[in-house]
Order: sequence, then structure tokens, then C-alpha cells
Amino acid sequence: QPELQESGPGLVKPSETLSLTCTVSGGSISSSSYYWGWIRQPPGKGLEWVGRIYYSGAPYYSPSLKSRVTISVDPSKNQFSLNLSSVTAADTAVYYCVSGIAVAGTHWFDSWGQGTLVTVSS
Amino acid sequence: SYVLTQPPSVSVAPGKTARMTCGGNNIGSKSVHWYQQKAGQAPALVIYYDSDRPSGIPERFSGSNSGNTATLTISRVEAGDEADYYCQVWDSSSDHPGAVFGGGTKLTVL
Repeated sequence: QPELQESGPGLVKPSETLSLTCTVSGGSISSSSYYWGWIRQPPGKGLEWVGRIYYSGAPYYSPSLKSRVTISVDPSKNQFSLNLSSVTAADTAVYYCVSGIAVAGTHWFDSWGQGTLVTVSS
Repeated sequence: SYVLTQPPSVSVAPGKTARMTCGGNNIGSKSVHWYQQKAGQAPALVIYYDSDRPSGIPERFSGSNSGNTATLTISRVEAGDEADYYCQVWDSSSDHPGAVFGGGTKLTVL
């Protein structure tokens, strides 16, 4: 089971792009056993799926964020990244990077990073 | 899009059994996964594929899924089980498949 660690700015200005990186240890990001994704949690609220990507294959994004989000993989650094453009205060949240498993048409998230709080404010 | 409904809160005395539900249209036809989130921590998987437990999760945690309701059951509840619990499915029924979470249930141990 891989270990995950998020990194990136804790403060982003409105209308700018939120960029986070997740470093994977204890496993290869090129593994076909896992996919890699992001989940966020606004302060005091529930979990919201952002998107996921396999090492090889097209990413899937949340319909509500699809126009603003990009998830990519960097095998050379064993990292994957999240970019969320044109952010507003509504994007303020703890962002978790996750590894997931897909079996027989379902997906679950078996390993989570500790989470990083990103605040959108001028 | 698919909607999962969880009661906001459940309370139980230590040593008793806690049951937390997750409602969805014909949810019994989907696989349900459950996560525990203790205060100030990241969520952790406690049940996957309706009723399977990851290694390290006590047998006191069990799951079931049928009809329009999935249930997470915690037997012999301990103070350390106090947490928020979220159910999750993968919705592949639309043009935009993705993960869906319930709103979460706060378990209070009296």
C-alpha cells in the first residue's frame, strides 16, 4: 500500500490556479494496480471527489469541476499533480491525494495523504 | 447524478451496536465502500466491496447492502470509534463516471 504526501501553496489568490503535487512512496506510480486521484473537503463539510488518473489512460474528472481541473502524472519523480484554475473562495478546502483500486466496475480509495489546506483569499 | 443519503448523526453507548445507513436508488446493485474520519485526521477505508475489511480493521466493523440501503455496523462500540463515517460508490451510470460520497454520519459514543 503506497504512502502519499501532498505539497503546494497553502494560500492562492482568487482567479489564479491552485497547484498541488503528491509524492508517492512505497510503490510505483507506473503500477497497473492503482490509480491516483484527488478528493477535497471544505472546512466543516463532507468529502468531494475531484478526479483520478491511471499512469496510462484518460483521466476522469468531477462533472462540476471538469472545465477547470487537470490531473497529470510524472513517472520520473513518482508524483502526480492537481491544477485547478480560476479558483474562488468556494475552492477553499483540505485537499487529499489518494490511491485507489478499481475492480469489477467499482472504485475505492485505499490510501490517503494527510491532506493539505488550501485557502483562496486575496 | 447519483445521490447518497446518510443521517447526520448517530449516538450509541459503549459496548452497544451502532448502525449507520447509506441510502441510494437501488444501491444494492452497486458496491459500497465506507471510510472513517477521526477529528483532525484523513479518512481511512474501513469497509470495501460492501462487506470486506482491509487488513488491520477489527472484525467489529461489518457492512451489508441490499435494496435501497447499505449499512455499516460497528459491534461492541468503543470510545475510539467516535468519528465521521462516509459511504461511497462509483457511479458509472452517466456520461461522466465518478466517485460519489454520502454527506457523512457523525458517530457519538455516549
